[in-house]
Amino acid sequence: GQNIDQPTEMTATEGAIVQINCTYQTSGFNGLFWYQQHAGEAPTFLSYNVLDGLEEKGRFSSFLSRSKGYSYLLLKELQMKDSASYLCAVRGENAGKSTFGDGTTLTVKP
Amino acid sequence: DAGVIQSPRHEVTEMGQEVTLRCKPISGHDYLFWYRQTMMRGLELLIYFNNNVPIDDSGMPEDRFSAKMPNASFSTLKIQPSEPRDSAVYFCASSRQANYGYTFGSGTRLTVV
Repeated sequence: GQNIDQPTEMTATEGAIVQINCTYQTSGFNGLFWYQQHAGEAPTFLSYNVLDGLEEKGRFSSFLSRSKGYSYLLLKELQMKDSASYLCAVRGENAGKSTFGDGTTLTVKP
Repeated sequence: DAGVIQSPRHEVTEMGQEVTLRCKPISGHDYLFWYRQTMMRGLELLIYFNNNVPIDDSGMPEDRFSAKMPNASFSTLKIQPSEPRDSAVYFCASSRQANYGYTFGSGTRLTVV
């Protein structure tokens, strides 16, 4: 089976940097994904990591350590519109499907 | 591209009625997924298809749920009979390959009273 842990809630200030962590335990590993979900909307894909290291995409970066079963999503220059839930998802030995964590609700304050 | 299209957006039905949710994936995407989201259980995978073939339906709660994908551009999720505990947002998602991120539809908010 798979177990994915994320903090439930985080708060940060506009313009700051925030790091959202995700730890996982899986049978096999075929990639880790981050999604953003605004309240009342569908999740949208942010990033994909399958090898160790940092992937940067504009203000968002995602890091993976397979040996530690650990990933983080780094958001820089926070904006009010970044207030959303951030979901970590892992593809395990069944490479066709992803299991989602419960999400981290990020609130950005002025 | 219009993205993943789901219908209806909202559905309110009485307990015991049949409910059919519909999904049109993005053209060229080989994978189609049905997820259910609730506050208590988060996003749960119900079933997924690869090239129109059901691959894993281990997440389907019970025999009241069934899903079909008769062709590459259409899938349905049916609940018969519906129960109040089925109330949730049902998302359809598609992806090009196994190592691609999903594109989600807008979801169907189902309320069973």
